[in-house]
Amino acid sequence: NAGVTQTPKFQVLKTGQSMTLQCAQDMNHEYMSWYRQDPGMGLRLIHYSVGAGITDQGEVPNGYNVSRSTTEDFPLRLLSAAPSQTSVYFCASSLRQTNTEAFFGQGTRLTVV
Amino acid sequence: AQSVTQPDIHITVSEGASLELRCNYSYGATPYLFWYVQSPGQGLQLLLKYFSGDTLVQGIKGFEAEFKRSQSSFNLRKPSVHWSDAAEYFCAVYAGNMLTFGGGTRLMVKP
Repeated sequence: NAGVTQTPKFQVLKTGQSMTLQCAQDMNHEYMSWYRQDPGMGLRLIHYSVGAGITDQGEVPNGYNVSRSTTEDFPLRLLSAAPSQTSVYFCASSLRQTNTEAFFGQGTRLTVV
Repeated sequence: AQSVTQPDIHITVSEGASLELRCNYSYGATPYLFWYVQSPGQGLQLLLKYFSGDTLVQGIKGFEAEFKRSQSSFNLRKPSVHWSDAAEYFCAVYAGNMLTFGGGTRLMVKP
């Protein structure tokens, strides 16, 4: 049982480049979300999805897009990378959108130069 | 909107000593509360959660937390810390489809 899988683990981008961070879960969870982690700021929610075909914005959505075409996958797209997007990104999933435990991936460390 | 404050950015305790990590939240209704732990280079793992009922909840690895509505707090405790407990700890509140995290407390354990 793989749980939540994120790829890549590390990435360096140049300013203005675009890329997609991949997230997949094999637990048939309805709810998936993306966070960014910056020192001293904890984890901040970027976007989330309560099921296939449904997405919504979190606390810090600007500069990021998501889609949820299947239950398993929830990719995060950076449209035009900026140095302010240098961060560690975590994908999480939970069984339902309510108060169940969130399972986290191992993270993607992104550097934008 | 909900918010979570962890007043202590760093805490150092000696191995075998007791531990208390503070968490204060702001939310208008009864919150769903969580504590997560993050080891270096890893994702987050759930330690314990509070939804309702008994205000003292037990978690994994010998941790417990107490919900105090009057103080809007959900402090994490452990009676005897082990060197392997060194990590970063996050308090979180779930409301409005969103899980909101505090800034984290980094725990260091002295031998």
